[in-house]
Amino acid sequence: GAVVSQHPSRVICKSGTSVKIECRSLDFQATTMFWYRQFPKQSLMLMATSNEGSKATYEQGVEKDKFLINHASLTLSTLTVTSAHPEDSSFYICSAGWDTEAFFGQGTRLTVV
Amino acid sequence: GQNIDQPTEMTATEGAIVQINCTYQTSGFNGLFWYQQHAGEAPTFLSYNVLDGLEEKGRFSSFLSRSKGYSYLLLKELQMKDSASYLCAVRDGNYQLIWGAGTKLIIKP
Repeated sequence: GAVVSQHPSRVICKSGTSVKIECRSLDFQATTMFWYRQFPKQSLMLMATSNEGSKATYEQGVEKDKFLINHASLTLSTLTVTSAHPEDSSFYICSAGWDTEAFFGQGTRLTVV
Repeated sequence: GQNIDQPTEMTATEGAIVQINCTYQTSGFNGLFWYQQHAGEAPTFLSYNVLDGLEEKGRFSSFLSRSKGYSYLLLKELQMKDSASYLCAVRDGNYQLIWGAGTKLIIKP
């Protein structure tokens, strides 16, 4: 099946710094990628839809200036958490795919200290 | 509003069969997905239903009734490694994925 690769898998950063998370589709082209956040024991929450060559679409309540998304190519989308705070600590997951199947990256465990 | 309901937790015995139900109310329907998620890992795809009926894939089967807004995931010959959360997700009329909160399945020897 298709593979989506996400990097890094874990990151610890200091409060106030920025962190970039990469999501790559390894064997297919993805015009659309999705970014999710998942808090412990909760389901996935869609943060934004990343569109290649255009601006991302953010869900209500997600700060676009804080969570910067860039989808510069058909195989790469990045999420940058700017000026991170402890409450941003979470599991971030990207996905891409097609109508009948969605593939997820390995996820990134972000801890802000 | 849009809503997906599934039980929070279920317990079953190794070797047995378990059925995890999912009911949904969404604005439009473009398919229903089941995913398995082990703690600390990303979800992995299990099944996709867009037409009514049963889809079988090895030990796992998924059923859909669009008129009832209902699906279930059936797991047979349960193994300890099946202990995980099972997420039901519906793609609505805008092609957005709406996620259930997940069902934590505990398998006992």
